[in-house]
Amino acid sequence: EVQLLQSGGGLVQPGGSLRLSCAASGFTFTSYAMTWVRQAPGKGLEWVSGLSGSGGTTYYADSVKGRFTISRDNPKNTLYLQMNSLRAEDTAIYYCAKDSQFIVGGAFDPWGQGTLVTVSS
Amino acid sequence: QSALTQPRSVSGSPGQSVTISCTGTSSDVGDYNYVSWYQQHPGKAPKLIIYDVNKRPSGVPDRFSGSKSGNTASLTISGLQAEDESDYFCCSFAGTSFVFGTGAKVTVL
Repeated sequence: EVQLLQSGGGLVQPGGSLRLSCAASGFTFTSYAMTWVRQAPGKGLEWVSGLSGSGGTTYYADSVKGRFTISRDNPKNTLYLQMNSLRAEDTAIYYCAKDSQFIVGGAFDPWGQGTLVTVSS
Repeated sequence: QSALTQPRSVSGSPGQSVTISCTGTSSDVGDYNYVSWYQQHPGKAPKLIIYDVNKRPSGVPDRFSGSKSGNTASLTISGLQAEDESDYFCCSFAGTSFVFGTGAKVTVL
């Protein structure tokens, strides 16, 4: 069974940093791109970042470019999102998801359970 | 990248069909066949129900179908059932990023 188990998240002050993790199992991790999507409280989904199976190609939403870094540790089957210079508007539930192809496919399935990031003083 | 436009809400009686539109631009929906749809129940993670415009993942009922014409994609739910009451989001590739729709709430009357 394909599973994504997220960890990290929590309360952080504006300007602070946080790292999210997403541990994958049940599939050949290196063969698939991975992505992060967030959802502010009561709002819709916002795509945040994605990277290829090798980690060599990365994509970012304009809203996080230069502040967030997506990476993966393929031997550990783990995806990361390093979030720096956090702002109040970054407050959201963050989901990781498996993509359908090595580079990009846009079929995000499955999704992790989500982790809440709250940016507040 | 602006969010794709979806109706805020759609409703129908059990057994009826409903269609949710997803309007983008020639830089996203109109230019790529990487259009997907997600169902999200309250407090739950989204679930993929349509990908590549009109393909259904294994296990998704065939009453869910997708299509695209120009810059607008559509999700149709035929034979509406009570468990279909949920939020639905479209998503499109946009060259170097992805963009989600504003979301539509489907209510089963």
